[in-house]
Amino acid sequence: DTEVTQTPKHLVMGMTNKKSLKCEQHMGHRAMYWYKQKAKKPPELMFVYSYEKLSINESVPSRFSPECPNSSLLNLHLHALQPEDSALYLCASSLKPPTYEQYFGPGTRLTVT
Amino acid sequence: TQLLEQSPQFLSIQEGENLTVYCNSSSVFSSLQWYRQEPGEGPVLLVTVVTGGEVKKLKRLTFQFGDARKDSSLHITAAQPGDTGLYLCAGQVRNTGGSNYKLTFGKGTLLTVNP
Repeated sequence: DTEVTQTPKHLVMGMTNKKSLKCEQHMGHRAMYWYKQKAKKPPELMFVYSYEKLSINESVPSRFSPECPNSSLLNLHLHALQPEDSALYLCASSLKPPTYEQYFGPGTRLTVT
Repeated sequence: TQLLEQSPQFLSIQEGENLTVYCNSSSVFSSLQWYRQEPGEGPVLLVTVVTGGEVKKLKRLTFQFGDARKDSSLHITAAQPGDTGLYLCAGQVRNTGGSNYKLTFGKGTLLTVNP
């Protein structure tokens, strides 16, 4: 089973709202990732958690706040977003070396109004 | 600096034709992955190549990793409309220390196979 699940599938939020995106995997993977993807562009890395600790933050604005409650769950808390933050938000996970191949979830389509 | 140059960026062909997508870099990669992504969905892992010169086949798809592990290609034989999608190459650059979890993505190839 190589499934990563994400909820919700779609989200519309106003610029003053607070919402959260959720990601779950039960493959025993110890690295989890958040990516942002604009249409017809490659995913852009936002955050990496390794063994439940934040290991990479790609200079993401503080209005995005990641959380890893346990090895299977990853959240992305959203607050005071801008319309330009509208995108497909992808979660991924990977096992360990040597290949680090990442498995992606189906994404959350976020629209900020 | 774009570490992975992927070409072509767009490709529109007729059903039954063959095609090749290229992924090139000046950096050496520990491994390289190919993904296919359909609109509104997440990328789906197709293959991982690790060894220089490696060739892997997945039905009508053939993947090659260059001998020096700096380039890769994806060849599709007798393309079908179901092959339509965004193809992404991605790899881990060697000797990046704490960034070993990072994937470097190519810009993608948007393939359309017309019936």
